[in-house]
Amino acid sequence: AQSVTQLDSQVPVFEEAPVELRCNYSSSVSVYLFWYVQYPNQGLQLLLKYLSGSTLVESINGFEAEFNKSQTSFHLRKPSVHISDTAEYFCAVSDRGDNQGGKLIFGQGTELSVKP
Amino acid sequence: DAGVTQSPTHLIKTRGQHVTLRCSPISGHKSVSWYQQVLGQGPQFIFQYYEKEERGRGNFPDRFSARQFPNYSSELNVNALLLGDSALYLCASSYQSFGTDTQYFGPGTRLTVL
Repeated sequence: AQSVTQLDSQVPVFEEAPVELRCNYSSSVSVYLFWYVQYPNQGLQLLLKYLSGSTLVESINGFEAEFNKSQTSFHLRKPSVHISDTAEYFCAVSDRGDNQGGKLIFGQGTELSVKP
Repeated sequence: DAGVTQSPTHLIKTRGQHVTLRCSPISGHKSVSWYQQVLGQGPQFIFQYYEKEERGRGNFPDRFSARQFPNYSSELNVNALLLGDSALYLCASSYQSFGTDTQYFGPGTRLTVL
């Protein structure tokens, strides 16, 4: 069965520092990959997604993630974080071969805490 | 356009009771999925419906059921509530039911079982 591992449950970082949130998935088959962000007391918002093509995908607010098939990873990075980036970040996959369509399998989440 | 809406926002029930959670998808979206998010964990897939038919079911007991209406809104029902059912229940809508479709999440319903 497909699984997603987010290697860090909490990542504290100072404002304007770079950050990397790590995500690994288990399946050897082709997958679609997603990063969602959850602000306190809110639902999840899509940050970026990888479907095919270029292995580097970017979001409108400066985040980027790189799909690495050989390492089954999809790490999220930002070169300079802001206080407003403080939130919970979830990595998710859906299996291309899964006949359950858009079923998303989520990791446990990484709490990013940006300090002034 | 309005996003995904869920009702109620919060709910408190006691063990053994039944609960119904409601979700209205984004206008034009035909698929609704339900997820359970226990505190400190990632969301877990419960159901997906597309065009009123069940397209996927997660590893949840038969106490959990759902349905989708002709207007594409959806209900999640949970019978014989247990303490462990306390969680944030998230509804997500998408245009279709493919893995490439972006799922848009509602704010969730916080269920507390006492």
